[in-house]
Amino acid sequence: ELKVEQNPLFLSMQEGKNYTIYCNYSTTSDRLYWYRQDPGKSLESLFVLLSNGTVKQEGRLMASLDTKARLSTLHITAAVHDLSATYFCAVYNFGNEKLTFGTGTRLTIIP
Amino acid sequence: EPEVTQTPSHQVTQMGQEVILRCVPISNHLYFYWYRQILGQKVEFLVSFYNNEISEKSEIFDDQFSVERPDGSNFTLKIRSTKLEDSAMYFCASSEGAGGLTGTEAFFGQGTRLTVV
Repeated sequence: ELKVEQNPLFLSMQEGKNYTIYCNYSTTSDRLYWYRQDPGKSLESLFVLLSNGTVKQEGRLMASLDTKARLSTLHITAAVHDLSATYFCAVYNFGNEKLTFGTGTRLTIIP
Repeated sequence: EPEVTQTPSHQVTQMGQEVILRCVPISNHLYFYWYRQILGQKVEFLVSFYNNEISEKSEIFDDQFSVERPDGSNFTLKIRSTKLEDSAMYFCASSEGAGGLTGTEAFFGQGTRLTVV
């Protein structure tokens, strides 16, 4: 069974700092997604990563995928308060319509 | 921008009652999903639906759950006899293609918060 783990689970960081969230998964997949969730809200799609070596950037967020290591990273550059949210990675098994989510990383940016 | 819409946003029901959660997927999407998220926990897959039938379901999706696409636009999740542990946020999602095969992105609705008392 596919397992998806994120670390850290909680991250409190100061504005202006850089940090990385890690997403490890247990079986072969090249379908990885990053979502953002604000408290009580839905899941907002951030990145779709579909092949090994993919790197995508949007504003202060950059996501990458290493399918050989079964690892994706979400890097935050010069954090600002409005990035505070919970971030989930999610993975499909090949040919499988079940999206398996990671445990989530609750990010709090302190002014 | 097209979006997935869910109703109601919040439903409170008594244990043992039936509830129907409603979703209108994005109009040209062919694949539909229900996920749930117990408060403070991760998002869990319930069921996927394509071509008017269930294509995959999780062990959570037991006999008390059912899904239906009663017309061309709505996609519903029915829970026949609710239990306290069914309290959660239920998210509907849709995608244009098969995510597992093509990597097509799933778009999520805003969720229905179900509270069973």
